[in-house]
Amino acid sequence: NAGVTQTPKFQVLKTGQSMTLQCAQDMNHNSMYWYRQDPGMGLRLIYYSASEGTTDKGEVPNGYNVSRLNKREFSLRLESAAPSQTSVYFCASVAAATNYGYTFGSGTRLTVV
Amino acid sequence: AQSVTQLGSHVSVSEGALVLLRCNYSSSVPPYLFWYVQYPNQGLQLLLKYTTGATLVKGINGFEAEFKKSETSFHLTKPSAHMSDAAEYFCAVSDAGGFKTIFGAGTRLFVKA
Repeated sequence: NAGVTQTPKFQVLKTGQSMTLQCAQDMNHNSMYWYRQDPGMGLRLIYYSASEGTTDKGEVPNGYNVSRLNKREFSLRLESAAPSQTSVYFCASVAAATNYGYTFGSGTRLTVV
Repeated sequence: AQSVTQLGSHVSVSEGALVLLRCNYSSSVPPYLFWYVQYPNQGLQLLLKYTTGATLVKGINGFEAEFKKSETSFHLTKPSAHMSDAAEYFCAVSDAGGFKTIFGAGTRLFVKA
């Protein structure tokens, strides 16, 4: 089925380890986003990519890096994981310049111990 | 700057009763407004959206919302709750470009038999 695919679904890291969260969409969407979800705080934007070849910081970018590998793929990297980065991470995409609603992936639940 | 306030982190209704989830927003530009629903261990799913035009918008699963500019509100309603409506609901605001959609903290809906 068409949509947004995130891998892995679950991950446990030790403090200081690095990892990359993968996101791919097959809807030919231009814009892609990474959010984190924490209890009582809704979703907070980490980074976004308005179009292929561009990336910009969101509300909470510290400790993260991103790569828009091509139009389909947008990865999120944690270089040195910290317990404060324990969260559920969601990737989302939207078709064009006008926001008619995001399509979300099913999330990656990350625990940093 | 844009912001969203959802009144009530938890709402409990009886099956068959009216569902009312409150959302107020602030925006310096004409807003695009959204309601998303999240079922346990899943990503967010678009429930309905207001962009321009008719201020009463209908979504999936019998939900609707009304954009009231004078009250800066976009409350979500459903005439008769069903057990399957139990989920977390997020109100969101963006401008037309949608590059920085802001989400509320979420309201968890409980439906009692």
